[in-house]
Parts: sequence; C-alpha cells; structure tokens
Amino acid sequence: NAGVTQTPKFQVLKTGQSMTLQCAQDMNHNSMYWYRQDPGMGLRLIYYSASEGTTDKGEVPNGYNVSRLNKREFSLRLESAAPSQTSVYFCASSLTGGTTDTQYFGPGTRLTVL
Amino acid sequence: QKEVEQDPGPLSVPEGAIVSLNCTYSNSAFQYFMWYRQYSRKGPELLMYTYSSGNKEDGRFTAQVDKSSKYISLFIRDSQPSDSATYLCAMKVGGGSNYKLTFGKGTLLTVNP
Repeated sequence: NAGVTQTPKFQVLKTGQSMTLQCAQDMNHNSMYWYRQDPGMGLRLIYYSASEGTTDKGEVPNGYNVSRLNKREFSLRLESAAPSQTSVYFCASSLTGGTTDTQYFGPGTRLTVL
Repeated sequence: QKEVEQDPGPLSVPEGAIVSLNCTYSNSAFQYFMWYRQYSRKGPELLMYTYSSGNKEDGRFTAQVDKSSKYISLFIRDSQPSDSATYLCAMKVGGGSNYKLTFGKGTLLTVNP
C-alpha cells in the first residue's frame, strides 16, 4: 500500500514551458487535492476533486488546470510556467471529503521555474 | 486579519522539555481542528484531530481547543530529537461533502539532544 504517490520529485522549467504533475492514490479515496507550499505562506489549496468527474477551484487556481483521470489519479498542469509558480506541490486524498475526514499527503514535487 | 495565525518560530528546545505550539483563528465557523507534522522534505502527516473544546491526549501529545478564545494548542511532553519537524495547525468548517481545510503557516521545532 503506497498511499499517495507523486511524480516527478523534482523539476526545473524555463518560463513559458508546460508540464504536468502526476498524483495517484491506492487507498480507494473519493476526494483528491492539490496544494502548493511556499515559505511564509503555508499550504494553499489550488484545486480539488470531490469525486471522479468533478473538479473545483481552491484558493489559488490561476495558472493551473487539473484533470481527474479516474478515481486513482489527479493531475495538475502548468500550461505556461512562470517564476511565481516556483514552489513545492503536494497532492492529498481523503475518503469522502466530509467533515470528519482525514487528508493524506504525498511526498511533494519541488518545482523551480527559471 | 488572516483566518489562521501561527507563529513560525523557529523554536529550539532541549531534549525532555515540554513544548507548546499555538494557533489563533478568527472564523468562528471552524469546528474541526487538526495538527499536522511535517518532516523536512516530506509531506504533512496528521498528528491529532479534535472537534470540541477541551483536551485530547495521545501518548506524549495533547491537543487543546478553546473555542471561546479561538485558540488551539499542541503540547509535546518529554520532547525527543525525533519530534524535530514543522507543525502545522489546520481547521475546517463543518457540514457538506466538500470542505476547505485552512492551514496555519507552520512552526519549525528543533529538539536538541
């Protein structure tokens, strides 16, 4: 049982390049999330998916798109990377997204945009 | 005013000390309170979860919630070097199947042997 996995672990992009961050969970969870973590800013929600086939914006969605490919996988795409998107990106999942639910986090992807 | 305020530290204590970590919040709709622990270069992991005022104990860890003061605390007794990590408080509003989890910025704790 691997939990939440993320690929890649590290990535360096040039401004304007695009890339997709991959996330998968093997816990049969319904809800999945993408966060970014920046020094002095804490964790901020980018997008979330309450269930397969649905996605919703979080606190900082601009510059990102997401795809809930199936129940296991939730990807985050940067269409035209900007230096402001340099951050550590975490994917998380939870069983229902309900009030007593627990979010489980992946190990993160460290992205640098030059 | 930010919804959740947390002193970023850093906090450095000797092994065996009692550690107190705190967060304040402004949104009285928050009903569920959590503490996450994040080791360097790792993802956060849930440490404690509570939804009522009062204390909840789990081994060396005690989570305390005071809703009247909008203040939550995490106490670590007999702190160990392995407790060195960033501690994040998190809160959420109750109700519905979709919810927003609001995090504090985290407090960096170092326990020195």
